[in-house]
Amino acid sequence: EAGVTQFPSHSVIEKGQTVTLRCDPISGHDNLYWYRRVMGKEIKFLLHFVKESKQDESGMPNNRFLAERTGGTYSTLKVQPAELEDSGVYFCASSDLSGAGDEQYFGPGTRLTVT
Amino acid sequence: GESVGLHLPTLSVQEGDNSIINCAYSNSASDYFIWYKQESGKGPQFIIDIRSNMDKRQGQRVTVLLNKTVKHLSLQIAATQPGDSAVYFCAENSGAAGNKLTFGGGTRVLVKP
Repeated sequence: EAGVTQFPSHSVIEKGQTVTLRCDPISGHDNLYWYRRVMGKEIKFLLHFVKESKQDESGMPNNRFLAERTGGTYSTLKVQPAELEDSGVYFCASSDLSGAGDEQYFGPGTRLTVT
Repeated sequence: GESVGLHLPTLSVQEGDNSIINCAYSNSASDYFIWYKQESGKGPQFIIDIRSNMDKRQGQRVTVLLNKTVKHLSLQIAATQPGDSAVYFCAENSGAAGNKLTFGGGTRVLVKP
């Protein structure tokens, strides 16, 4: 069974540009999460989709970040315009169910570098 | 690698010795805790979990201990192997709708041959 995949693995962009990250969850998983680790900080929750609906977007830092999951399959996270402080690693995870104790499977992450 | 710029506490352990990684949490409402292992270039991988109604749980070569009184969680790795070299994170879940995980800062484990 394929795990969670993310694309690209690494992106280098200039401040002010736009970047779109993609996550493909494990097939059949209704729950999809985005997390990120910015330099020197711990991994932090961004948002949670249940199918195509945003269940919790309390971790989204500001309106420069837009997450979508049209059709309830893969998800994209767009950063526009990117700022230097957005540099870090963006992780996607998916789970079958969404209760405490339902394991989240993480992808390898996308390393974003904003110069 | 992915951890450049991060100043993680590091635990150096001799191969074959036992490792103990500690984690403190702040949310007394948390009812589910997980330990993740992250190797270079990979995402966090589930190791073991424990619910708040337990104080100890054992897996293969790993044991998690939970002390709710002092809000402390630990991961013990028995007979540490070179493949155990990684960054280890604790995470908590308050059980609120959404299954949002709150991660600790991570500890790097280096296994010396």
